[in-house]
Amino acid sequence: NAGVTQTPKFHILKIGQSMTLQCTQDMNHNYMYWYRQDPGMGLKLIYYSVGAGITDKGEVPNGYNVSRSTTEDFPLRLELAAPSQTSVYFCASTQVTGELFFGEGSRLTVL
Amino acid sequence: EDQVTQSPEALRLQEGESSSLNCSYTVSGLRGLFWYRQDPGKGPEFLFTLYSAGEEKEKERLKATLTKKESFLHITAPKPEDSATYLCAVQARGTGNQFYFGTGTSLTVIP
Repeated sequence: NAGVTQTPKFHILKIGQSMTLQCTQDMNHNYMYWYRQDPGMGLKLIYYSVGAGITDKGEVPNGYNVSRSTTEDFPLRLELAAPSQTSVYFCASTQVTGELFFGEGSRLTVL
Repeated sequence: EDQVTQSPEALRLQEGESSSLNCSYTVSGLRGLFWYRQDPGKGPEFLFTLYSAGEEKEKERLKATLTKKESFLHITAPKPEDSATYLCAVQARGTGNQFYFGTGTSLTVIP
């Protein structure tokens, strides 16, 4: 069972460029989340989704967009990348309420 | 505002030296408190869920407890392989299934 799969694992982006971080899960979970993790700052929620077609903002949504066209996929779009978006991004999923299953992370550097 | 605070930020233990990690929280109606373990370069991995004050959960050398204001993760006779960052998260009622994370405790167990 693959669980939560994130791609790419590493990426370097130039200021002003855009890119999409991919996330897919094979556990048929309704709830999916995008977090960013910065040193000493813990995990901050960017966006989340409670099901296909439904998304909502978390604590730090500025500069990001998401879509949820299927239960399995929850891509995170970065528009006009800025150095402040250098971080490790984690996608996670869960069923109703309960433990989160995390991907391995996507390490993004904006130069 | 819902908050989660973990202490200490870092902890160094000799192998076999028991200790406790703290997670204090202020949420308006706790739905669940979660403990995760995170190894370097990896996504967090679920350990425990606690739902109500007085509840305890155990797994090998780890034991999690919950009161109305805080949770403790007790580590008994730790081994070097217990070295990791331990994250605490809470889920509050009425927050649309959002999870709020603390900044973590980095544990190092010295042989």
